[in-house]
Amino acid sequence: EDKVVQSPLSLVVHEGDTVTLNCSYEVTNFRSLLWYKQEKKAPTFLFMLTSSGIEKKSGRLSSILDKKELFSILNITATQTGDSAIYLCAVEKRDDKIIFGKGTRLHILP
Amino acid sequence: NAGVTQTPKFQVLKTGQSMTLQCAQDMNHEYMSWYRQDPGMGLRLIHYSVGAGITDQGEVPNGYNVSRSTTEDFPLRLLSAAPSQTSVYFCASSYRKTGELFFGEGSRLTVL
Repeated sequence: EDKVVQSPLSLVVHEGDTVTLNCSYEVTNFRSLLWYKQEKKAPTFLFMLTSSGIEKKSGRLSSILDKKELFSILNITATQTGDSAIYLCAVEKRDDKIIFGKGTRLHILP
Repeated sequence: NAGVTQTPKFQVLKTGQSMTLQCAQDMNHEYMSWYRQDPGMGLRLIHYSVGAGITDQGEVPNGYNVSRSTTEDFPLRLLSAAPSQTSVYFCASSYRKTGELFFGEGSRLTVL
């Protein structure tokens, strides 16, 4: 059975802190790993990772994939209250299924 | 730009009733999918489609039917609603193999 496991499930930090969110996976026919951010309504796309060791970066957010150890991390530096959200990790399989983990709920205290 | 449009946004049903959640996208995406989101469960894939006339089951397909007669539309049917189907439902679409799903705003369904 395919699994995408995120940790921690919940995290509270102070503004300015750096956070690391984890995602491990066990799936057959892996194509890519995806990160999404969900604030009040629908998730929005952050990154797609297909190759090991190549960092993807967007402003204060960055992510990297390790296909040998089957995990990815999402880093957020100099956190702001606007970073408060649920961060979802997902795996896209070669049969086009996209399977999500349960998410990490991040709360940034001012 | 409309993007992905879901209707209705809210619905209350009685056990055993049927209904259809509508989803339409105007981005010419081949790939469309339905997810349900329950507290603490993340998003779970119900059904998906890689093009008109093609559908396949996701992780939790039981109790739901779909069809894809056009590229734009991907309705989700509940034939006999059960309280376990109380959830928030999201429709999403993308170009194939890009991973970048565009989501609708969600439909909150309550089954009494």
